[in-house]
Amino acid sequence: AQSVTQLDSQVPVFEEAPVELRCNYSSSVSVYLFWYVQYPNQGLQLLLKYLSGSTLVESINGFEAEFNKSQTSFHLRKPSVHISDTAEYFCAVSEPDQFYFGTGTSLTVIP
Amino acid sequence: DVKVTQSSRYLVKRTGEKVFLECVQDMDHENMFWYRQDPGLGLRLIYFSYDVKMKEKGDIPEGYSVSREKKERFSLILESASTNQTSMYLCASRGQGHYEQYFGPGTRLTVT
Repeated sequence: AQSVTQLDSQVPVFEEAPVELRCNYSSSVSVYLFWYVQYPNQGLQLLLKYLSGSTLVESINGFEAEFNKSQTSFHLRKPSVHISDTAEYFCAVSEPDQFYFGTGTSLTVIP
Repeated sequence: DVKVTQSSRYLVKRTGEKVFLECVQDMDHENMFWYRQDPGLGLRLIYFSYDVKMKEKGDIPEGYSVSREKKERFSLILESASTNQTSMYLCASRGQGHYEQYFGPGTRLTVT
C-alpha cells in the first residue's frame, strides 16, 4: 500500500521568507500528486496537482511543487510567504482506486 | 466550480443519539467519500461510494454506516454516537476518470 510522509508537522516562518513543505511517497507506479490547503475550521481546498507533463506545477497564489520521480517526492515551495498563507497543508497521492493523505504540515507565518 | 455542501458546520449531540451527516455535490460526480480528521492523525477514510446504492468500507468504518440513495447525496450515519466520535467530518466527491477530490467545508461534531 502507498504511504505519504510529511516529515514536518509544524513549520514556523517569518513573513516574506521562503518556505518548503516536504512530501515523500512510497511508490511511484502510476501516481498522481496533490497539495491541499485547509484554513482554520474549513474544508480542504485543492492547491495544485501533478497528473502528467511538466514536473513543476504552480498555483495561482505563488506556490509551486516539483514532482521528482527518482526521489519519490513532491515538495511544496513558496519564495515569499504572506500572513494569509497560515494554514494546514496536506500532500496526497492518488492511485487508480485509492487516495492517500499525509498527516499534514501546519504552516505558521510570523509577522 | 465544484460545490460540495455539508448540512451542518457545527453539531453537538449526546452519547447514544443517532446522528445524520448529509453531503450534497452539484457536479454529477460518481464517487463520494467520508473522512474524519483528528489532530496528528490526518484524514482517515470511513466509507466511500462509487455509485448510487453502492458503498465500500474505508479504513475505519466501525460505528458508522452510509446511505447513497441519490447520486448527488451521500449520508453518514452514526448509529449510536460515542464520545470517541467527536471529530471533524469531511465529505468529498470525485468525477469518474478524474483523480482529484473536492471537499465540503466540514462538520465539527461534538458528542457529550
